Amino acid sequence: GNSVTQMEGPVTLSEEAFLTINCTYTATGYPSLFWYVQYPGEGLQLLLKATKADDKGSNKGFEATYRKETTSFHLEKGSVQVSDSAVYFCALRGSGAGSYQLTFGKGTKLSVIP
Amino acid sequence: DAGVIQSPRHEVTEMGQEVTLRCKPISGHDYLFWYRQTMMRGLELLIYFNNNVPIDDSGMPEDRFSAKMPNASFSTLKIQPSEPRDSAVYFCASSLDPAPLHFGNGTRLTVT
Repeated sequence: GNSVTQMEGPVTLSEEAFLTINCTYTATGYPSLFWYVQYPGEGLQLLLKATKADDKGSNKGFEATYRKETTSFHLEKGSVQVSDSAVYFCALRGSGAGSYQLTFGKGTKLSVIP
Repeated sequence: DAGVIQSPRHEVTEMGQEVTLRCKPISGHDYLFWYRQTMMRGLELLIYFNNNVPIDDSGMPEDRFSAKMPNASFSTLKIQPSEPRDSAVYFCASSLDPAPLHFGNGTRLTVT
């Protein structure tokens, strides 16, 4: 079945530091890949997505590139802010018939300190 | 766009009681999902509907859990009887395939 593995947190960074959160996946075919962000007390919000190999998703300074050869979709941001403190989830949706649900990683908590 | 609306935001109940969680999806969305989030197991898909019809309920933990979607604008997740191990945050999400999911703010359930 499909699975997503992301680096365990928590991750603590100083403001303006570079962020990488690793995500690898196992899936058959050509899944779509997503990063969601969850702020305290809220539901998950879509951060970015990529639907085919070599696509780069980007939003709010975050980027992730769909690498089929390494089955990875690592999240990066060049300069984090305190407001980026949240839990980040990598997710995939399979490409087969009936693959409408998302499979999530366990989440990585990011804390950015001033 | 009001987003996915869940109620209540918090629910505290005693073991053995019936609990009903409610969800109003985004208008026009044809998929609805129920997820459970815990520290130990992360996000787990419980069940999802397409056009009000349950498609996959393999994630429902046991017969104590049931979900319904009587119409396109309302769904419920019921736990009867509730147990302390059911304590979690329950999320409802909706989508218009193949668009990504939109999540509600969740219901935090505490069973004592």
